[in-house]
Amino acid sequence: QVQLQESGPGLVKPSQTLSLTCTVSGDSISDDYSWTWIRQPPGKGLEWIGDISFNGNTNYNPSLKSRVTISVDTSKNQFFLNLNSLTAADTAVYYCARTGNNWNPWGQGTLVTVSS
Amino acid sequence: QSALTQPASVSGSPGQSITISCTGSNSDVGHYNFVSWYQQHPGKAPKLIIYEVTKRPSGDSNRFSGSKSGNTASLTISGLQAEDEADYYCISFTTSYTWVLGGGTRLTVL
Repeated sequence: QVQLQESGPGLVKPSQTLSLTCTVSGDSISDDYSWTWIRQPPGKGLEWIGDISFNGNTNYNPSLKSRVTISVDTSKNQFFLNLNSLTAADTAVYYCARTGNNWNPWGQGTLVTVSS
Repeated sequence: QSALTQPASVSGSPGQSITISCTGSNSDVGHYNFVSWYQQHPGKAPKLIIYEVTKRPSGDSNRFSGSKSGNTASLTISGLQAEDEADYYCISFTTSYTWVLGGGTRLTVL
């Protein structure tokens, strides 16, 4: 059974960079899937951030592309999200998910608050 | 990229059927059969309930069904139950190799 778990700081200061890790268990991150980051501001809808394929190709939401980097470490079965120049608008629950033709399964999510 | 359009809210009584629409464009919903639907209860991660327009994950309830006509996909929930009260989101792959989402629909079971 595939499981994903997000980890990272719960509080980050404005203008700083957010770094999150998604650890995958029960599946190899090198398999023929992509791996996705999604976020959800409190009380609002979901927003696709971007994804990385098994061979390292990335796709990003055009609205976030200038601030986002997604990378992968196959030896640790982990993939990562870096989001820079943070503002309060980046406060959200951040989810990771395995991606084929859909997003399944998802991690439980981690709340990140941007505040000084 | 434009978001997919979903109604903000729908409601129905137990036992009834409801349908949630998800309208996109020729570049997403109308181009691919990679439309999926997710159910999200408060404080929980979204859960896949329909993928590739009409398919259900193994073992999931057959009260959930999906369809598509042109640029609009739809999710139908039959035999409404109290546990179906949740937010529902559609997503679609796009011709730009990105994903686009609907704004979400709040289902209230009366």
